[in-house]
Amino acid sequence: DSGVTQTPKHLITATGQRVTLRCSPRSGDLSVYWYQQSLDQGLQFLIQYYNGEERAKGNILERFSAQQFPDLHSELNLSSLELGDSALYFCASSVGIGLAGERVQFFGPGTRLTVL
Amino acid sequence: GDSVTQMEGPVTLSEEAFLTINCTYTATGYPSLFWYVQYPGEGLQLLLKATKADDKGSNKGFEATYRKETTSFHLEKGSVQVSDSAVYFCALSAGTGANSKLTFGKGITLSVRP
Repeated sequence: DSGVTQTPKHLITATGQRVTLRCSPRSGDLSVYWYQQSLDQGLQFLIQYYNGEERAKGNILERFSAQQFPDLHSELNLSSLELGDSALYFCASSVGIGLAGERVQFFGPGTRLTVL
Repeated sequence: GDSVTQMEGPVTLSEEAFLTINCTYTATGYPSLFWYVQYPGEGLQLLLKATKADDKGSNKGFEATYRKETTSFHLEKGSVQVSDSAVYFCALSAGTGANSKLTFGKGITLSVRP
């Protein structure tokens, strides 16, 4: 158990819908990262937050957004869902973003999204 | 940009065989390097890491050495077990701040037969 929690574990929805994925980082971790894992794209970085502020964006679609709240949990919002958005979405957290030891990321169990 | 290349899979070995999974990287600066493992139906677990050249990461009998001259971080284990069957990902973190994200290789599936 990494200490990172994600809910829900599974999500099945229809095209055009909107969903919210939730992540709670390990106690004391300030940085949260979101990744998407799909068969064709592999593991892709989506977005990073540090202490409530967005720090980096990767291959994140405009239909997707995220935020990190004052209690440091994070939510990933996916809207106007398409079949191709079906994937496993992982959240990871790290203590910080400075020293090498602080940047080690620990992953949650993931949310499997199926868009029908 | 940063990239990680892993050898093509899948790999099938007999129990107690020697394992090598190749990983090479391209990055500016001095990245930190990682191996993550994903067991069936589970999330990613950190297996080992190395943060500077010539560092050796080790855990559960697995080892990998950060080779800056060959930009490699090959994973080895002397004697694999059935329980090692999983998908293995090599990854790098290129730097601090906004560069601390992980860039992953495609992953390789290891199957160990009794």
